Parts: sequence; structure tokens; C-alpha cells
Amino acid sequence: DGGITQSPKYLFRKEGQNVTLSCEQNLNHDAMYWYRQDPGQGLRLIYYSQIVNDFQKGDIAEGYSVSREKKESFPLTVTSAQKNPTAFYLCASSISWANNEQFFGPGTRLTVL
Amino acid sequence: GESVGLHLPTLSVQEGDNSIINCAYSNSASDYFIWYKQESGKGPQFIIDIRSNMDKRQGQRVTVLLNKTVKHLSLQIAATQPGDSAVYFCAENIKDSNYQLIWGAGTKLIIKP
Repeated sequence: DGGITQSPKYLFRKEGQNVTLSCEQNLNHDAMYWYRQDPGQGLRLIYYSQIVNDFQKGDIAEGYSVSREKKESFPLTVTSAQKNPTAFYLCASSISWANNEQFFGPGTRLTVL
Repeated sequence: GESVGLHLPTLSVQEGDNSIINCAYSNSASDYFIWYKQESGKGPQFIIDIRSNMDKRQGQRVTVLLNKTVKHLSLQIAATQPGDSAVYFCAENIKDSNYQLIWGAGTKLIIKP
């Protein structure tokens, strides 16, 4: 059963702590993306990766970091430098960077206590 | 910044009626547009796309219309069903850009019984 998985679905973190959100895909897609969604808002791009071992900052990369050591995995770390981390985080992938049809995971809701 | 926007943040439609969700864009170089559906607490799902060399494209119960003259995009859903309740996003890609999708803020579609 192919798709994108994100874990955990809900995550709670204390202020000042780093936390890593998991994103895995078995679609053999080259490109992967991380978006942030705030209540009643659209999607904002945090980071993207066109291919394994490569990643680029999106529109709101400050306070976040990523890695792309494996094609199927694109974890996102929310660092303590992110001033307002409480949000819904969505991971997506596409066949290639030039192919805009993105497939999304179920999302992780992060709450900072 | 975003060049894709929406006329209405919320749209209420009677079950069985047709729904029309609108989207305006400002960049005349945009050459590809996508509509996504996001149900509550889930990731967005691809609905339909259209390239700028087309005016209309039809899918199952959905039609996308593109008016390049006034930079307007619409999604029409025929015979709206309760399962159509969701937030609908349009997104665009600008020709010769880095293929990054630019997302609108979304329209919430509410189905009245």
C-alpha cells in the first residue's frame, strides 16, 4: 500500500525543546516538501528537497531544519529558535520537482505547552 | 508573496446543488493550476489541474475553468454531496520559476442538508 506516512499524529513539546517530525514515502518520489498550516490558513512552504542529499529553504525556514539522507525519508526538526511552533505540519512528495502534483501525508499537529 | 487569493473564505451550498469556488491570481506568467481538497484534520488531496493553454477541464463531478483575461480560476462541483464538505485550495505554478507551488488561503465549503 503506497503512500506517505507522518508520525506522530499529535505531538506535545515543552518550550525550549527541539522536536523531530517524521515523514516517510514509499512512492519512489524524488521530491519532498514540508508545509506549515495555521488554523484557517493556507499552506506555507518550510523546506523542500528536489532529490536525495539536497534540500532548499522555503518561505518560512527560520527555526526549522531538515535532512534528506534517504530518498524515502525527509524528517523535519522544529528547533527552540522557532518562535511560534504550534501548528499543523504537512509533508508531501511528488515524482519530481518539476511535477507539481503533490501527494500529502496525514499531517502532524504540534502543540507547544 | 502570494499571488493567489480567494473571493470568499466560506461557501454554504444546499445538498444537491452545484458549488462554484473561485480563485484569483495576479501573475500573468502562471501556467499551471491545481485544486486540492482538504478534509478536517487530514492532508490535502489532489482534485484536478489545468494548464494555461486550456480554458476548461472536466473530471468526475468537477470542472475547472480558467479565464486568463481576468486571471480567474474556478472549481465547479456538480450535485454537491455531504462528502464534499472540506476546505478547497487553489495553487499555481509560475512559468520559468523554480516550480514552487504558490498556495491560496482556501475556501471552506459547507453543505446544508
